[in-house]
Amino acid sequence: ILNVEQSPQSLHVQEGDSTNFTCSFPSSNFYALHWYRWETAKSPEALFVMTLNGDEKKKGRISATLNTKEGYSYLYIKGSQPEDSATYLCASNNAGNMLTFGGGTRLMVKP
Amino acid sequence: KAGVTQTPRYLIKTRGQQVTLSCSPISGHRSVSWYQQTPGQGLQFLFEYFSETQRNKGNFPGRFSGRQFSNSRSEMNVSTLELGDSALYLCASSLDGWGYGYTFGSGTRLTVV
Repeated sequence: ILNVEQSPQSLHVQEGDSTNFTCSFPSSNFYALHWYRWETAKSPEALFVMTLNGDEKKKGRISATLNTKEGYSYLYIKGSQPEDSATYLCASNNAGNMLTFGGGTRLMVKP
Repeated sequence: KAGVTQTPRYLIKTRGQQVTLSCSPISGHRSVSWYQQTPGQGLQFLFEYFSETQRNKGNFPGRFSGRQFSNSRSEMNVSTLELGDSALYLCASSLDGWGYGYTFGSGTRLTVV
């Protein structure tokens, strides 16, 4: 059974703060690591798909890094805004056409 | 382009009944996966279909089944519903399921009473 873990479970920050979350995943049979942003009552929105060790991806104020050898990925948000409030999910593709999700990090940004 | 469409959005069923949920993927996507989210649990993989074939199955009882049609639309069925089946069921479509991004639908909220 694969274990994908995310920390912290929840995070409260002030508008303008920069923040980061961690996702750890099994490094064996690794294929891809996905990050999603999930707002309440909406569908999860794909942020990044990363496959290569050392990969770095950026989308506006959000960026992510990947270390497949040690099995972790970081998601960074620079200058958090209230609209960034959401649950951030990571999911690992390890051998098989399926995603194994972590429990998510719930981010709340106070104006 | 149209996103992933799941119907119905909400459903209330009684214990012992069966239910069928539908998912229409993005045009051109041939892989459809289903996930269950229950309170306190993360998203858990149910199964994945590609070109009408089930390629992978999660650790769920046989009461959970699915199928995919030639137009890539997929249905999942849960028979003999239990209270614990109350959950949000999400489907996700992908070009082929291997490392490409998955696009999720808005889900079907099933309540079993």
